[in-house]
Amino acid sequence: DTEVTQTPKHLVMGMTNKKSLKCEQHMGHRAMYWYKQKAKKPPELMFVYSYEKLSINESVPSRFSPECPNSSLLNLHLHALQPEDSALYLCASSQSSPGRMGTGPQETQYFGPGTRLLVL
Amino acid sequence: GENVEQHPSTLSVQEGDSAVIKCTYSDSASNYFPWYKQELGKGPQLIIDIRSNVGEKKDQRIAVTLNKTAKHFSLHITETQPEDSAVYFCAAFTYTGGFKTIFGAGTRLFVKA
Repeated sequence: DTEVTQTPKHLVMGMTNKKSLKCEQHMGHRAMYWYKQKAKKPPELMFVYSYEKLSINESVPSRFSPECPNSSLLNLHLHALQPEDSALYLCASSQSSPGRMGTGPQETQYFGPGTRLLVL
Repeated sequence: GENVEQHPSTLSVQEGDSAVIKCTYSDSASNYFPWYKQELGKGPQLIIDIRSNVGEKKDQRIAVTLNKTAKHFSLHITETQPEDSAVYFCAAFTYTGGFKTIFGAGTRLFVKA
């Protein structure tokens, strides 16, 4: 089973709202990722969690707040978003965050279906 | 910073023909290269990957080749079918401020029946 699930599938929110995106995997993966994808563009990395600790933050604005409550769950809390934040938000997971490159399948990332977010 | 260039941006082929997508990476230390297929309204799906200790890998109609010296890698799809129509992303795994996957810009493949 290589499934990553995300909820909700679609979300419409105003600029003053607070909402959360959720991601779940039951593959025993210890690294989880948030990506943002605009139309006709590749995914852009936002955050990486390794063993439930934030290991990479790609200079994402503070209106995006990630949380990893346990090894299976990843949340992205949204507050005071701007219309330009409208995008597909993808969650991914991998076996682990590798300590050095080329040591095995740890790097293989499995993506969820995404949450399509529209900020009005 | 590190980047991955992908060509062409759009590719249209007749059903049954082959399709080739090419990528070039900049980080000579990269040694893991996945390919993802993304259909409309879905997340990227891993279709094949290759590591730098291997020059070629094949899985049914899909093959990937890697030239480490030239820092090139390519995806080959043979006997294309309409359901192969999607956006394909190449990627390179790198270490710049942390281990991460750098994606190419994507290739939109149309397979005409």
